[in-house]
Amino acid sequence: ETGVTQTPRHLVMGMTNKKSLKCEQHLGHNAMYWYKQSAKKPLELMFVYNFKEQTENNSVPSRFSPECPNSSHLFLHLHTLQPEDSALYLCASSQGGSGRTGETQYFGPGTRLLVL
Amino acid sequence: GESVGLHLPTLSVQEGDNSIINCAYSNSASDYFIWYKQESGKGPQFIIDIRSNMDKRQGQRVTVLLNKTVKHLSLQIAATQPGDSAVYFCAENTGGFKTIFGAGTRLFVKA
Repeated sequence: ETGVTQTPRHLVMGMTNKKSLKCEQHLGHNAMYWYKQSAKKPLELMFVYNFKEQTENNSVPSRFSPECPNSSHLFLHLHTLQPEDSALYLCASSQGGSGRTGETQYFGPGTRLLVL
Repeated sequence: GESVGLHLPTLSVQEGDNSIINCAYSNSASDYFIWYKQESGKGPQFIIDIRSNMDKRQGQRVTVLLNKTVKHLSLQIAATQPGDSAVYFCAENTGGFKTIFGAGTRLFVKA
C-alpha cells in the first residue's frame, strides 16, 4: 500500500445531496492533492495544499469545496453535483515544503463517485 | 500550451518480450518527468522518474529515456510479465506542485 487512504471507496449520490470525501496520509508529507480522473481523459489536478495552505485551485467549480485541517488529512466536500461530475477522485501526497520541482506523488486508491 | 501526450492508446505484447511506451511533451521548461502505473481499482503507482539533466535512468526491469531535443520520453519494460498489464501514464513537472499527466497507454500482456 502507498500510505494514502481514501474513504469511501464508492459513493452514489443524488444531485441535491451533500457528501464528503476523506483522504489521510501516513507518510509524514506536507503537500496533499485532489485529482479527478474521468474515462479516457488525463488526470485533472483540482486542488493542492502545502502545509494546510491552498496553493492551487485549477478553476474548479464551487460545488467542490476542499478542506485541509492538518497536513495528514484532506477532505473534498461535495454539494449540488452534476452527472458529469461522476468520476474517480484521487488523493495524493508529496513531501511538500518549499515547493521545489520534482516531488514524487503517492496516490490513494480513489473514490469512485456516481452522481444520479 | 502545456501538454503531455501519448503516441499509442493501447499496446499488446507477448509475455517475456520487451515493452516500449512512448510519450511526447510540449513544455521545454519541464525538468522532472515521472512514469506511473495504474492497475484496475487502484490509484497510480510511481514507477520511475528522471530529471532533465539526465537522458537515461534504470530501475528494476524498467528504463526511462529522455530526449530533450524532440521532447520525447519513453518507458522500457524488460521481460514483460502478466503483472505488468496496466495503464501507464507519463507526467511532467514544470515547477511547484503542478504535475501534468498524459492520457495513458493501456498495456496488455499476452501469455
